[in-house]
Amino acid sequence: QVQLVESGGGVVQPGRSLRLSCAASGFTFSSYAMHWVRQAPGKGLEWVAVISYDGSNKYYADSVKGRFTISRDNSKNTLYLQMSSLTAEDTAVYYCARARRDGYTFDAFDIWGQGTMVTVSS
Amino acid sequence: QSVLTQPPSVSGAPGQRVTISCTGSSSNIGADYDVHWYQQLPGTAPKLLIYGYNNRPSGVPDRFSGSKSGTSASLAITGLQAEDEADYYCQSYDSSLSGSVVFGGGTKLTVL
Repeated sequence: QVQLVESGGGVVQPGRSLRLSCAASGFTFSSYAMHWVRQAPGKGLEWVAVISYDGSNKYYADSVKGRFTISRDNSKNTLYLQMSSLTAEDTAVYYCARARRDGYTFDAFDIWGQGTMVTVSS
Repeated sequence: QSVLTQPPSVSGAPGQRVTISCTGSSSNIGADYDVHWYQQLPGTAPKLLIYGYNNRPSGVPDRFSGSKSGTSASLAITGLQAEDEADYYCQSYDSSLSGSVVFGGGTKLTVL
């Protein structure tokens, strides 16, 4: 079945780096744009970044620009989020999500992963 | 402060109809960008409920519907059921921000 599974979360010290992964299955991963969305504890959803289906276009929220890098490996059906210079404000559950229509970078998110928790704390 | 404004909470009795508003501006909803709605049950990932103002993915009951007017959008839920108790989020695109997807702050629906 269509599925996204995140991994790589954990506890990390302020200023350090962490890389999240999102493994896709059940659909043609290389045809869909992919997004990262995060949710701080007890807070709402915050969009983080998007990468187009072929990796040629990437966009970021101002809050992470210059610190986070989104990438993908279509041969491995995997999406990544490299996070650096982490602060306590980056503490959140990180979800990967698929744009609904193939080829569309900005669209509704029809498939979500279960999320992976990132805690930035000394 | 979210770019899209939602009421923090709404409530209704079983069987009733409730609406959740999502107020934006001329750079997002008012610019005719699509509005999507998500339902998030406690401890779970969000689920797509409505896309493109008023389209339901397969499996979403027709008790859920969306609408748009000017710079605002709304989600309506009829025949309220206990299992509808959840957080609801609207989402759109904002042209004033650098390639940015925007979410509303979320609305907690309580079924009385």
